[in-house]
Amino acid sequence: SYELTQPPSVSVSPGQTASITCSGDKLGNKYACWYQQKPGQSPVLVIYQDNKRPSGIPERFSGSNSGNTATLTISGTQAMDEADYYCQAWDSSALYVFGTGTKVTVL
Amino acid sequence: EVQLVESGGGLVQPGGSLRLSCAASGFTFSSYDMHWVRQPTGKGLEWVSGVGTAGDTYYQVSVKGRFTISRENAKHSLYLQMNSLRAGDTAVYYCARFSDDSFDIWGQGTMVTVSS
Repeated sequence: SYELTQPPSVSVSPGQTASITCSGDKLGNKYACWYQQKPGQSPVLVIYQDNKRPSGIPERFSGSNSGNTATLTISGTQAMDEADYYCQAWDSSALYVFGTGTKVTVL
Repeated sequence: EVQLVESGGGLVQPGGSLRLSCAASGFTFSSYDMHWVRQPTGKGLEWVSGVGTAGDTYYQVSVKGRFTISRENAKHSLYLQMNSLRAGDTAVYYCARFSDDSFDIWGQGTMVTVSS
């Protein structure tokens, strides 16, 4: 089966840049997307097709995907960005796969 | 407003059955693949099942043969029939729309608890 691995937690100071990685075999050959989930809420799509932002998502969210790693970058992190973040990709064997999730803490 | 509203969750004994529903509004339901994603309390997201616009269906290995996904385009509705439920199926179940290689719209979720 196919697996996507993320760091359990990332800490960032307000106004600084947070980078969250998502690792999977040949992930760069697939489309990666990212979801933000705040406590008690449903997930929200923040990046799709590696680096595209849905309408309404702030420009401080950006994405990249190459080799075995996709990265979500939050520039000028704000307190409201504190949440769990999940990557996701499609694989022919496991179909729709989510990453293990990363808790972002804004200190 | 684009919206998905799930219903049908609840408490069920191991081995029991439950049928989840998802009512869609604000978009052309028949034009999108639709999916179910679940999340056990305190844990990560897990894809469960999906149905394409042509009615083709897909399942995660652990639910294949026990769960059945279906859609009724005339009623803008998605369903998940869950049989032979196990404790490991306990989770919040989300309905999600699939577009541009991602789940772009999510419902608020419905809780399924499998316990005696």
